[in-house]
Amino acid sequence: SQQGEEDPQALSIQEGENATMNCSYKTSINNLQWYRQNSGRGLVHLILIRSNEREKHSGRLRVTLDTSKKSSSLLITASRAADTASYFCATDTLNNNDMRFGAGTRLTVKP
Amino acid sequence: EAEVAQSPRYKITEKSQAVAFWCDPISGHATLYWYRQILGQGPELLVQFQDESVVDDSQLPKDRFSAERLKGVDSTLKIQPAELGDSAMYLCASSLATGSNTEAFFGQGTRLTVV
Repeated sequence: SQQGEEDPQALSIQEGENATMNCSYKTSINNLQWYRQNSGRGLVHLILIRSNEREKHSGRLRVTLDTSKKSSSLLITASRAADTASYFCATDTLNNNDMRFGAGTRLTVKP
Repeated sequence: EAEVAQSPRYKITEKSQAVAFWCDPISGHATLYWYRQILGQGPELLVQFQDESVVDDSQLPKDRFSAERLKGVDSTLKIQPAELGDSAMYLCASSLATGSNTEAFFGQGTRLTVV
């Protein structure tokens, strides 16, 4: 069963613009992670944020976590055509590190 | 750089046939996951191993799917008999899963087409 839901399902922007994707989840979590997937390939880890953290940065990526609202957002600044991919959030719990994904946001960055 | 190896990359099989996928995780990673991803959807967790033990297989269709990780290293996922609805990408991932760090590393996947 899916744990998270990403919003929007699809996003199309121009190169240089910022892209924001949101993730909502249902149960208490240990960590929340964001992954990227290019078409037909495996997933690549982008960033992990722990349940006791509120914001994290990595290069052009900024992730926020609001555990009271059970939601997270991923911001990609100054987007590039190479950022075109699907982005997924994944959550795990303290019980057994089971990692469950949402349905993803398909990002298209136009050159 | 260490990678998760999966084979085959592509598999076409007829319905009612048996099919098997293999995964070799990153050395030292105790946790191994198998996911199924239907086109346009997110990965769905099928089974999770901690060493050789199954931690979670609640979403595994056990009437036709089986998974094993006998020595706690590489793993095999089997489908018998395959059905048309099993056509999907099957992804394997591994993780140190130490509690504070659950970053997972994915293989390139096996794309299964059942005809």
